[in-house]
Amino acid sequence: DAGVIQSPRHEVTEMGQEVTLRCKPISGHDYLFWYRQTMMRGLELLIYFNNNVPIDDSGMPEDRFSAKMPNASFSTLKIQPSEPRDSAVYFCASSRPGLPEQKLFFGSGTQLSVL
Amino acid sequence: QKEVEQNSGPLSVPEGAIASLNCTYSDRGSQSFFWYRQYSGKSPELIMSIYSNGDKEDGRFTAQLNKASQYVSLLIRDSQPSDSATYLCATLNTGFQKLVFGTGTRLLVSP
Repeated sequence: DAGVIQSPRHEVTEMGQEVTLRCKPISGHDYLFWYRQTMMRGLELLIYFNNNVPIDDSGMPEDRFSAKMPNASFSTLKIQPSEPRDSAVYFCASSRPGLPEQKLFFGSGTQLSVL
Repeated sequence: QKEVEQNSGPLSVPEGAIASLNCTYSDRGSQSFFWYRQYSGKSPELIMSIYSNGDKEDGRFTAQLNKASQYVSLLIRDSQPSDSATYLCATLNTGFQKLVFGTGTRLLVSP
């Protein structure tokens, strides 16, 4: 299995621009999570989906952030307009249903820099 | 108060020593606890999980859980330089599939 695939690996953009991050979960995993990691705040859960349905988006910082999961194999996280404080590493993770361990498989992350 | 708290470190230990990493959590309903390891520039990976009070051993790693004190720890025996990484404590919040992470403890193992 290829694991969780995220793109792009790095994104540099200017303040005010729209940014779209992409994620392909592991086949058969029906939970998908978007996390943001910074030195100050660590790993923060932004939103998670179960069977393509958003379950909890309480971690989404502002209306500038939106996430979609149109099908079981694809999700996007969009920031519009982007701001310098959005600079962080954004991780997508997926997990398999029915496991008490809740083992998350993380993608390689997207390093976002907003200038 | 943060839901999951860890000392950011760095925790420095010599090669061969025991490294002790600690974590406290605030949600008394948490039932599942995890330790993830994250190498610099990489993504987190699960190394240990524990659900019951007491100790759980896996190779050089031992996870310890005390629900009454809301305390989780990870012991790494015979520490190796390759263990140098950030260790993230995580709890599964009450009744849900939502993992909450601490900010992590950076471990440095010197040869």
